[in-house]
Amino acid sequence: DAGVIQSPRHEVTEMGQEVTLRCKPISGHNSLFWYRQTMMRGLELLIYFNNNVPIDDSGMPEDRFSAKMPNASFSTLKIQPSEPRDSAVYFCASSLVGVGYGYTFGSGTRLTVV
Amino acid sequence: GQQLNQSPQSMFIQEGEDVSMNCTSSSIFNTWLWYKQDPGEGPVLLIALYKAGELTSNGRLTAQFGITRKDSFLNISASIPSDVGIYFCAGRSSQGGSEKLVFGKGTKLTVNP
Repeated sequence: DAGVIQSPRHEVTEMGQEVTLRCKPISGHNSLFWYRQTMMRGLELLIYFNNNVPIDDSGMPEDRFSAKMPNASFSTLKIQPSEPRDSAVYFCASSLVGVGYGYTFGSGTRLTVV
Repeated sequence: GQQLNQSPQSMFIQEGEDVSMNCTSSSIFNTWLWYKQDPGEGPVLLIALYKAGELTSNGRLTAQFGITRKDSFLNISASIPSDVGIYFCAGRSSQGGSEKLVFGKGTKLTVNP
């Protein structure tokens, strides 16, 4: 199993530009989570999906952030327009609902907005 | 919202020493998990606990699910340099069947050879 795959690993963009982060969950997992990690705030849950349906997006900072999961094997997190305070490491994780397993995390996308 | 208080924030130890870290919460959790994060990587699951009072080992790692369901600890015995990293506790509550995990702020471990 290739694990959770995120792309790109690093992204540097200018303020105001659109940024799209991508995630491929583990095959067979039916929950997908987007987290943001910063030194100040630690790991923050932004949004999660069950069976491709968004369940809880209360952690999405503002309307500039949006996430989609068009099918069971792909999700995107989009920031438009990006701001310097969005600089962080963004993680995608997947799990199997109801089994009680922990999440499996991807290696993350380090986003720098200048 | 739910919060986990993880301590200590950081630890500096000598190779061979034992390490202990813990997490407490004002809320009840029905699952406790411990993760380790290496630089430049995502957190990796070390140990999962599903029952109050449960004590589980994974090699040199031992973790316990507190009897009150509001705390957990992780012990590392005979530390080695590759134990360096950030350790996170995470809890899942039973409310509403949510799959959300709440994470502690992490314990940064440094092991001096």
